[in-house]
Amino acid sequence: GQNIDQPTEMTATEGAIVQINCTYQTSGFNGLFWYQQHAGEAPTFLSYNVLDGLEEKGRFSSFLSRSKGYSYLLLKELQMKDSASYLCAVYGNYGQNFVFGPGTRLSVLP
Amino acid sequence: DTGVSQNPRHKITKRGQNVTFRCDPISEHNRLYWYRQTLGQGPEFLTYFQNEAQLEKSRLLSDRFSAERPKGSFSTLEIQRTEQGDSAMYLCASSILDRSNEQYFGPGTRLTVT
Repeated sequence: GQNIDQPTEMTATEGAIVQINCTYQTSGFNGLFWYQQHAGEAPTFLSYNVLDGLEEKGRFSSFLSRSKGYSYLLLKELQMKDSASYLCAVYGNYGQNFVFGPGTRLSVLP
Repeated sequence: DTGVSQNPRHKITKRGQNVTFRCDPISEHNRLYWYRQTLGQGPEFLTYFQNEAQLEKSRLLSDRFSAERPKGSFSTLEIQRTEQGDSAMYLCASSILDRSNEQYFGPGTRLTVT
């Protein structure tokens, strides 16, 4: 089977750093994605990891450890507009579908 | 606008009726996906196409659901004999077959079955 776990909710303060964890168990692995979804809107792509290590893109970084089935999304210099759900998704074996986690709802407080 | 578009944006129907949704992907994208999302949950995969071929369909998907992509461009998702449990946001996404497999999502169709 395929399973992805994320914390349900997190709260952080404007200007701070927050780390959102994701653990996965899937049949095959061809990449892990992070998406941001604001309430009532469609998900938008943030990052993609297929090899172990850290990928940095501005205020957002994503880390992957394939041997541990683990990833995290790191958000720096938090802004109010970062309040959203963050979805971890894994692409399994070729020809298989994307499996999304339940999402982590992040609230950024002033 | 060159993004993914979906129509209609909202649909209210009575239980037992059939509904059809349309998705127009980004023009050069050869992969198209359908997802269903309920409040507080991540998107749930329904099916995906590569060009006009339907390569995978979720085992959890009822026979009441069918999707087509006849010319490898737009796609339609039909739900027959709708049930209240079908109420959800139906999301379409497209991607191009390359290293990143990044999916671009449309705005979704919100279905309410009364």
